[in-house]
Amino acid sequence: DAMVIQNPRYQVTQFGKPVTLSCSQTLNHNVMYWYQQKSSQAPKLLFHYYDKDFNNEADTPDNFQSRRPNTSFCFLDIRSPGLGDAAMYLCATSRDRGETQYFGPGTRLLVL
Amino acid sequence: AQSVTQPDIHITVSEGASLELRCNYSYGATPYLFWYVQSPGQGLQLLLKYFSGDTLVQGIKGFEAEFKRSQSSFNLRKPSVHWSDAAEYFCAVGARGGSTLGRLYFGRGTQLTVWP
Repeated sequence: DAMVIQNPRYQVTQFGKPVTLSCSQTLNHNVMYWYQQKSSQAPKLLFHYYDKDFNNEADTPDNFQSRRPNTSFCFLDIRSPGLGDAAMYLCATSRDRGETQYFGPGTRLLVL
Repeated sequence: AQSVTQPDIHITVSEGASLELRCNYSYGATPYLFWYVQSPGQGLQLLLKYFSGDTLVQGIKGFEAEFKRSQSSFNLRKPSVHWSDAAEYFCAVGARGGSTLGRLYFGRGTQLTVWP
């Protein structure tokens, strides 16, 4: 089945230690999104890629970066995680902007 | 500015009872509308969507939603709830155009508890 895959499902890191979360998709969608979801809150869009075009949200901290080396993969890099970055990170894809977004299972990040 | 309101933070129903989750939105034109469901520790699963056409849309797992333009609402309904429906439900508005094309605006979510 075509799907959005996130690895790892759970990630524990230390305060200030860089961490990378991975997302891959077999849907061949043009757009890939990264959301941050804290406990009991709605998902918050961090940034998205429209093909190779990177679109950052105005309030996304500089500590968060992203890479999309090819159509299938997208990475979220947190350069110096703080305790406040502990959250669920959701990857989503859509065929084009304005079309339905399909979400992966998420990566739960814990910062010690 | 676009916004989505889900006025009920937590709803409890008995198994077999009917369900309605409320969603109101603020948007300058007719938006795209979505309902997603999230089980604990999982990602968001699409239940249904409205883009255009028939204002009553059917989704998966026996859910339906009705778009009411005059009320700026997109309420989710199910005639008979199952214990497996216990989860968090998110209403979302999608921008149709402009600089925010493709962006989803989520409500804060409604947590559904089902009593046996």
